Amino acid sequence: VHLVESGGGLVQPGGSLRLSCAASKFTFSAYWMTWVRQAPGKGLEWVATIKQDGSEKYYVDSVKGRFTISRDNAENSLYLQMDSLRVEDTAVYYCARGTSCNGWGQGTLVAVSS
Amino acid sequence: EIVLTQSPGTLSLSPGERATLSCRASQSVSSSSLAWYQQAAGQAPRLLIYGASSRATGIPDRFSGSGSGTDFTLTISRLEAEDFAVYYCQQYGNSPFTFGPGTKVDIK
Repeated sequence: VHLVESGGGLVQPGGSLRLSCAASKFTFSAYWMTWVRQAPGKGLEWVATIKQDGSEKYYVDSVKGRFTISRDNAENSLYLQMDSLRVEDTAVYYCARGTSCNGWGQGTLVAVSS
Repeated sequence: EIVLTQSPGTLSLSPGERATLSCRASQSVSSSSLAWYQQAAGQAPRLLIYGASSRATGIPDRFSGSGSGTDFTLTISRLEAEDFAVYYCQQYGNSPFTFGPGTKVDIK
């Protein structure tokens, strides 16, 4: 399992970012995929999960209506569109394979600050 | 929402000792959809146990998981140097797929 996140950076409150996760060394289209985040010095927080064909999506309440998880099975890629960002969204964002997160990327840092 | 509580918060042990970590759920976890992860300092987490008791590929047999319903346990039979880390449980049976707050295993 090889997962590489990208797209993180510094953004002002209210701004937007789109995270990407490039998957390889497994059959991407066969797996649910998940985003998990970790605020500095804090524990893990599940963010969102998407079914193999994109027909089911689940979100933590704190991001509902602001974040959108999506995928492109032809490109072996997972995405997280983050809008209306808040200071409390500051974290390292990881993509992971499956609902039981068997395989993780190295993470990408999102910093929301004015 | 299923709330997971992990205890103890910190476990101070010596290499070679046995570690017993607890994860308690606020309601029954469906189909034993409970996972354990290890996170070493500065690294991404890695899956140790899924389905409450199945070891992930490549995980040494000194790691074992048990439990069902609302009470789950991760046991490390004999601690090795690389096992000193933070351990999280997660339930993935019902959305939101919540994590516990973690147990830190440090060197005594």
